[in-house]
Amino acid sequence: DTGVSQDPRHKITKRGQNVTFRCDPISEHNRLYWYRQTLGQGPEFLTYFQNEAQLEKSRLLSDRFSAERPKGSFSTLEIQRTEQGDSAMYLCASNLALRNEQFFGPGTRLTVL
Amino acid sequence: SQQGEEDPQALSIQEGENATMNCSYKTSINNLQWYRQNSGRGLVHLILIRSNEREKHSGRLRVTLDTSKKSSSLLITASRAADTASYFCATDQIETSGSRLTFGEGTQLTVNP
Repeated sequence: DTGVSQDPRHKITKRGQNVTFRCDPISEHNRLYWYRQTLGQGPEFLTYFQNEAQLEKSRLLSDRFSAERPKGSFSTLEIQRTEQGDSAMYLCASNLALRNEQFFGPGTRLTVL
Repeated sequence: SQQGEEDPQALSIQEGENATMNCSYKTSINNLQWYRQNSGRGLVHLILIRSNEREKHSGRLRVTLDTSKKSSSLLITASRAADTASYFCATDQIETSGSRLTFGEGTQLTVNP
């Protein structure tokens, strides 16, 4: 257990539905990252926050994806109008700025039927 | 898109043997990190090597970095069945410094008891 938690751990949804995932980072960490991982691949960067500011978004993050970190603590990742191609593991990580190691949560596995 | 390439994609060895995994990358880096992922779980940081370092040790782990060849290797000595996992290299690239890690596709290591 790295201290980063994610909820839910598993989500099954039908195509077209909206889903929201939550990540609680280690409390003193000011940076929070979202990655997506498909089967047999390494994680791919989606977006990251420093405190409550979203500083970078990957081209992978289409308009259907939105992430927030309203108080600089927990973060949510919402996917609207889910598609089968969104099926993946969504990983959250956190760290302190200027510290390179990232601490990963257990992930949320999304299955879109 | 994934920058790193890992070799081999899969490795099966007997307990007690050494396991060597290789990683190549394409752009200039600040550091390179290795992570481990047990099936269906989050990633755990193993070791970090900075661009000005050539070799680093941590317990049974030995990492080398050759920036001229843009490659790294991870050696696990005296492997145990519990080392069975996927291993990923991740680079902190100079051009995106501090904002993300770029992961390779991973090596699936199986250690047979």
